[in-house]
Amino acid sequence: QVQLQESGPGLVKPSETLSLTCTVSGGSISSYYWSWIRQPPGKGLEWVAYIYYSGSTNYNPSLKSRVTISLDTSRNQFSLNLSSVTAADTAVYYCARGAMGAAGLFDYWGQGTLVTVSS
Amino acid sequence: DIQMTQSPSSLSASIGDRVTITCQASQDISNFLNWYQQKPGKAPKFLIYDASNLETGVPSRFSGSGSGTDFSFTISSLQPEDIGTYYCQQYDNLPLTFGGGTKVEIK
Repeated sequence: QVQLQESGPGLVKPSETLSLTCTVSGGSISSYYWSWIRQPPGKGLEWVAYIYYSGSTNYNPSLKSRVTISLDTSRNQFSLNLSSVTAADTAVYYCARGAMGAAGLFDYWGQGTLVTVSS
Repeated sequence: DIQMTQSPSSLSASIGDRVTITCQASQDISNFLNWYQQKPGKAPKFLIYDASNLETGVPSRFSGSGSGTDFSFTISSLQPEDIGTYYCQQYDNLPLTFGGGTKVEIK
C-alpha cells in the first residue's frame, strides 16, 4: 500500500521560504507524477505544482514565480519550496500521486500538513 | 484557467435519498473530469475518473456522468458515511483546477 507523508515546519515567517518534503513509502517514486496541492482553512483545493519522475515540472501560473518542486529518487522523496510567503499562503499542504500515468488524477494523498504564515 | 463551477454549494438530504451534484466547466474538457470526497480533517479521496469510471474499491452507489462542459455526480442512496465535501477537478488543461466543493449533510 502506497503511503505519502508530508513533513516540514508548521510555522513560517512572512517573506521567508516555506519548505516541505513528501516521503513516499510502499512503492517507488519512479514512473509517476507527483503533485503538491494546498487548501486554505475553510476553503477549496488549489493545485500548486507537479514533477514527473524524470524531473520535468509544471507549476500553477499563479505561484510560478515563487515555487520550486524537486525530486530525490534515492530517498523516494519530493519537495516543495515556496518563497516570499504571506498570510495568503497559510494552508494545509497535501502531496499526492498522479494515477494511471497521468499528472491530473490524484489517487494517493498524504494526510496533509498545516503551514501557518505568521510573525 | 478553466473555471469549474459546482452546485449546489451545500445540501442536506435524508438517509436513502438520491443526491446529485453538478459541475460545469468554463470550456470543453471532454471527459477529463474527476470527483473526490473529503471528510473533515482528512485528505480528499479519489472516487471517479474520466467523468464516469469508478475507482477500485469505491461503492457502486456513487456514479458520474457527462462530457464537454456539463457533468454530474450522483449518490444513489445516501448513507451516513457519505457526509463530507465533494469536489470535481479537471485535468484537460493546465493549471489543474477544482470546483468550489459541495458540502453534503444528513437531514
